[in-house]
Amino acid sequence: GENVEQHPSTLSVQEGDSAVIKCTYSDSASNYFPWYKQELGKRPQLIIDIRSNVGEKKDQRIAVTLNKTAKHFSLHITETQPEDSAVYFCAASAPMNSGYALNFGKGTSLLVTP
Amino acid sequence: ETGVTQTPRHLVMGMTNKKSLKCEQHLGHNAMYWYKQSAKKPLELMFVYSLEERVENNSVPSRFSPECPNSSHLFLHLHTLQPEDSALYLCASSQGRSGVYGYTFGSGTRLTVV
Repeated sequence: GENVEQHPSTLSVQEGDSAVIKCTYSDSASNYFPWYKQELGKRPQLIIDIRSNVGEKKDQRIAVTLNKTAKHFSLHITETQPEDSAVYFCAASAPMNSGYALNFGKGTSLLVTP
Repeated sequence: ETGVTQTPRHLVMGMTNKKSLKCEQHLGHNAMYWYKQSAKKPLELMFVYSLEERVENNSVPSRFSPECPNSSHLFLHLHTLQPEDSALYLCASSQGRSGVYGYTFGSGTRLTVV
């Protein structure tokens, strides 16, 4: 089945700096790559996603890049703010009996210090 | 109420108890999922339902029993659990299983088995 690896597991940056989180996946049939943000005690929320026919997508301070050949994708957060502190999960949608399902990375705990 | 709602938010149960977790979605989605979230581990897919039919049982122990009476409701029946089953159980829904739509998660049920 699909295996999603995520690095780093923890990341600490100064406010205003950039943060980059990287993920790799194993199933070349994976076609959809969302990123979720989970604040302490709250539900994971979709923040950005990218489909396999696109190499890069940007939404304000957040961008995601996808390299299908290398099977890796990355989340970039620029001008980080303390409210960006959370756990971020990458996921890859892989075929699984009669459809697709998301497999998640282990998460990256991001801390933005003022 | 919109979104995905899970009840209860917190549950403490003994190993001989029987309890049920409930999930309800008001988004008109037709696929629902149970995920288990433990510390230091990825979100683990437990069950997938599409159009009320279970299409994936990801090798979950039989002490977890799902039920999907209609496309808006999903239950997870628990019996004779083990302490290692203590975790956050997340319900999610999506519009189909084509693999190009993100999931909407509920807030989860924090389960503690004593």
